[in-house]
Amino acid sequence: EPEVTQTPSHQVTQMGQEVILRCVPISNHLYFYWYRQILGQKVEFLVSFYNNEISEKSEIFDDQFSVERPDGSNFTLKIRSTKLEDSAMYFCASSDEGTNTEAFFGQGTRLTVV
Amino acid sequence: GESVGLHLPTLSVQEGDNSIINCAYSNSASDYFIWYKQESGKGPQFIIDIRSNMDKRQGQRVTVLLNKTVKHLSLQIAATQPGDSAVYFCAETPYNQGGKLIFGQGTELSVKP
Repeated sequence: EPEVTQTPSHQVTQMGQEVILRCVPISNHLYFYWYRQILGQKVEFLVSFYNNEISEKSEIFDDQFSVERPDGSNFTLKIRSTKLEDSAMYFCASSDEGTNTEAFFGQGTRLTVV
Repeated sequence: GESVGLHLPTLSVQEGDNSIINCAYSNSASDYFIWYKQESGKGPQFIIDIRSNMDKRQGQRVTVLLNKTVKHLSLQIAATQPGDSAVYFCAETPYNQGGKLIFGQGTELSVKP
């Protein structure tokens, strides 16, 4: 069964450092998303991406965040200068249509900023 | 603002009983709703969805009910099993917002053997 894969599963970084979280969406999907989940809280939308550009982003997704689809298979989330409050689980998701369709989630990357 | 919330943070049921998890949403423009299951250390897993032009949808052991009048969504799990123990999130997709999901707070379902 096709699945969304994320690497690494756990990333520890020092405050102020840049991190790149990587995702390989399901191969025939066209819509890609990043969500985050702070421990014990709900899943929060960060950004959606379609046709090589951002289609929606939340207030959380400020200038410190960026996304990129560098090739035909990877989808990355970069945080330029990490803060302690960026510590969370980051989930990548993909779907074959943008609306009214199931989004498939990866297992997540646990980011710990120290 | 937009919000999707759950009435109960925890639910404990006996194995074999039916479970009902409730959710309220506030965005009347949402046209698609999903229930996700999240097990510890894993990503959300799709359970069942429903479009706004429906009021009930059934899957295998699960049923979702949508009441647009009161903006209420529920998930019914029949014959709950220990493997159903997880956190359940409802999520809504506002119309024409690129497929973004707005998640509720989550209900932790605990199934006692």
